[in-house]
Amino acid sequence: EVQLLESGGGLVQPGGSLRLSCAASGFTFSNYAMSWVRQAPGKGLEWVSTISGSGATTSYADSVKGRFTISRDRSRKTLYLQMIFLRAEDTAVYYCAKESASTSSWYLFDFWGQGTLVTVSS
Amino acid sequence: DIVMTQSPDSLAVSLGERATINCKSSQSVLNSSNNKNDLAWYQQKPGQPPKLLIYWASTRESGVPDRFSGSGSGTDFSLTISSLQAEDVAVYYCQQYYTTPMCSFGQGTKLEIK
Repeated sequence: EVQLLESGGGLVQPGGSLRLSCAASGFTFSNYAMSWVRQAPGKGLEWVSTISGSGATTSYADSVKGRFTISRDRSRKTLYLQMIFLRAEDTAVYYCAKESASTSSWYLFDFWGQGTLVTVSS
Repeated sequence: DIVMTQSPDSLAVSLGERATINCKSSQSVLNSSNNKNDLAWYQQKPGQPPKLLIYWASTRESGVPDRFSGSGSGTDFSLTISSLQAEDVAVYYCQQYYTTPMCSFGQGTKLEIK
């Protein structure tokens, strides 16, 4: 059974930093691209970042480029999102999501974690 | 960037009746490499993460009830629930995964029971 468990969220001041983690199990982690998608309170879904299965290729939404870094650890089967220079508008539930096994697209997501809440406020 | 626009923003349908949600993309998402539309639908129930329902515009994900169906091509798409059940109350999102290296979602449609 595929499981994705996010952690690392919390309250941080504007300008601060935070690192999110997503522990994966139930599938061959290195075979699949992984992504972060966020959802501001009461709002819709916003794609944040994607990393290839090998970790060699990454992509970011313009809203986070230069501030967020996605990475993965094959041995720990864990996905990360390092966030710096956080802003109030980064407040959201952050979900990790797995690439679909049904297509070759890295940006179609067949499993999502339960999410971790990041609140940026003074 | 492709902008995805859903209509309506909210919808109330009686149990057992048909519900239809529309999604329009600002440009075609038809993938010429496989002649498939890179368009997905997700369902999000309160307090839960999104769940993939349909991809390639009309292919149901494994385990999704057949009362859910997707249609459309190019820039105009629909999600139809043929006979609404109480457990279908949720927010539904369309997503294009055509313009890699990125993707985008519609704003969501809230489906309720009338």
